[in-house]
Amino acid sequence: DIQMTQSPTSLSASVGDRVTITCRPSQTINTFLNWYQQKPGKAPQLLVFGASNLEGGVPSRFTGSGSGTEFTLTINGLQPEDIATYYCQQSYSRHKTFGQGTKLEIK
Amino acid sequence: EVQVVQSGTEVKKPGESLKISCEGSGFNFTNYWIGWVRQKPGKGLEWMGSIFPGDSDTRYSPSFEGQVTISVDKSINTAYVQWGGLRASDSGIYYCARAREQWVADAFDIWGQGTVVTVSS
Repeated sequence: DIQMTQSPTSLSASVGDRVTITCRPSQTINTFLNWYQQKPGKAPQLLVFGASNLEGGVPSRFTGSGSGTEFTLTINGLQPEDIATYYCQQSYSRHKTFGQGTKLEIK
Repeated sequence: EVQVVQSGTEVKKPGESLKISCEGSGFNFTNYWIGWVRQKPGKGLEWMGSIFPGDSDTRYSPSFEGQVTISVDKSINTAYVQWGGLRASDSGIYYCARAREQWVADAFDIWGQGTVVTVSS
């Protein structure tokens, strides 16, 4: 199976900051990389699909980029409502693995 | 409205069997991959497997193959995951989710509310 490694595993930032989360698959996955946001007590929500395509309704401060074996999710201008855990997921192989998650907190 | 709605909370004893469900509505259920994702308390998301209702093509994570059975009844737009003998380690929240595009096992854009399963003696 393709292993997905996210970094950092936790992150504390201030409102207005630029935040970057990285995801590295154990093998190349082209751009078959998705990002999800999960707020406490809620189901995950799709933010970005195909590495860089913003899901409808997602604020434009979220940006996904990358290909192959390195991907990033960037939040430009962190807002209080962005407090959540963020997961990457590859949809390249038959087995759709998730990263371990990055918990984002506000300073 | 496009949605998937899951069955309710379950409390079971070790060794008991269980089948939880996920009903889709507002879309052509037959044409979309449905995935199952486990989340243990305080932990991350684990992809368990996915099923294509059109032909029941099913893919399992190696971690879950042989431990659960994923099935579908397309006549009632419902997918299932079942256990033959639960263990305490099966406790968690189970989500079903729909793939974003027809025919393609891609990102999950529509998620159920989750089914809480607690296995305890």
